[in-house]
Amino acid sequence: QVQLQESGPGLVKPSETLSLTCTVSGGSVSSGSYFWSWIRQPPGKGLDWIGYIDYSGSTNYSPSLKSRVTISIDMSKNQFSLKLSSVTAADTAMYYCARRSFLTGSYTACDIWGQGTMVTVSS
Amino acid sequence: DIQMTQSPSSLSASVGDRVTVTCRASQTISRYLNWYQQKSGKAPKLLIHATSTLQSGVPSRFSGSGSGTDFTLTISSLQPEDFATYYCQQSYSTPYTFGQGTRLEIK
Repeated sequence: QVQLQESGPGLVKPSETLSLTCTVSGGSVSSGSYFWSWIRQPPGKGLDWIGYIDYSGSTNYSPSLKSRVTISIDMSKNQFSLKLSSVTAADTAMYYCARRSFLTGSYTACDIWGQGTMVTVSS
Repeated sequence: DIQMTQSPSSLSASVGDRVTVTCRASQTISRYLNWYQQKSGKAPKLLIHATSTLQSGVPSRFSGSGSGTDFTLTISSLQPEDFATYYCQQSYSTPYTFGQGTRLEIK
């Protein structure tokens, strides 16, 4: 079955760029049926949608993060990635990658999630 | 952005109880509403999409209803494994916003 696995540094300094990668196994990021997504969760808080990319490279970002976020896709490695620039302590969170699928007609949802990776922003 | 508001924020209940969680959208989202369950230290798990369609493998004691702006998640008879935090999310328009979560605790 399809599995997602996040990877990247667990500690990032303030003002630097957070970089994470999600590796997809058991499926292909080049499939046209999915949106490859990033969601984060600050400690003890709720879920915060960051954005997604599709197989064509088309992206959609949260307006609150749009100026700092880049999501990219690497079909040769079957991965997609997140970069978040100029980080502050407020960006400390568990970061999840997820697959958003069309499940019933035009209805979509994140049906497969990675286990998450904790990123702390601190000097 | 569409704001999603869940109530209650937390709920204490006993095994066997019937429980209802409410989610309200700040504007109409038709039936573009998903529910996720998150257990401590784990990634969220999709329970229900399109307001009322259960994911494969989700027990039938879970159900969802609603349309427009008001939605509910009902657990008909709580089981020990159901104690978790539940989130609604609208998939009507980006950004795909989540509710703040409802923490379901054992009484």
